[in-house]
Amino acid sequence: NAGVTQTPKFQVLKTGQSMTLQCAQDMNHEYMSWYRQDPGMGLRLIHYSVGAGITDQGEVPNGYNVSRSTTEDFPLRLLSAAPSQTSVYFCASTRGSLRGYTFGSGTRLTVV
Amino acid sequence: AQSVTQLGSHVSVSEGALVLLRCNYSSSVPPYLFWYVQYPNQGLQLLLKYTTGATLVKGINGFEAEFKKSETSFHLTKPSAHMSDAAEYFCAVSEGGNTGKLIFGQGTTLQVKP
Repeated sequence: NAGVTQTPKFQVLKTGQSMTLQCAQDMNHEYMSWYRQDPGMGLRLIHYSVGAGITDQGEVPNGYNVSRSTTEDFPLRLLSAAPSQTSVYFCASTRGSLRGYTFGSGTRLTVV
Repeated sequence: AQSVTQLGSHVSVSEGALVLLRCNYSSSVPPYLFWYVQYPNQGLQLLLKYTTGATLVKGINGFEAEFKKSETSFHLTKPSAHMSDAAEYFCAVSEGGNTGKLIFGQGTTLQVKP
């Protein structure tokens, strides 16, 4: 049982480049979310999804795009990377609001 | 809108002392409340949660938290700190239902001194 798998674990991008952070879960969870973690700011919600084909914006959605074509996958796209997007990104999933989320191990992204 | 405030970005206790990490929330509907722990260079792990029912909830590793609606608080406690408890702790609130939206506080780093 792999849980929530994020790839890559580390990435360095140049300003203006685009890339996709991958997230996959094998627990048949309906709900999935993306967070970024920055020192002193906790985890901030970027986008979330309550099922395949349904996504919504979180607290800090600008500069990011998501889609949810299957229950298992929830990729996060950086459209044009900026230094302000240097952060650790976490993907999480849950079967429902009562249960609490299961987190991936994170992707550390540096934009230079 | 939901929000969470964790009082104190750093808390330091001696081994064997009481641990108290403070969390206050704001929610327009009855909230679901969570505490997570993050060890260095790892993801987050669920410690405990309050959804409905008993307001004192027990979690893993000897931690517990009490939901106090009148004070809009959900403080995390442990009677006796262990060196292995050193980590960052996050309080989070969800409005439940079908939103799937979970909002986190800023986090509190717990240091345990020998």
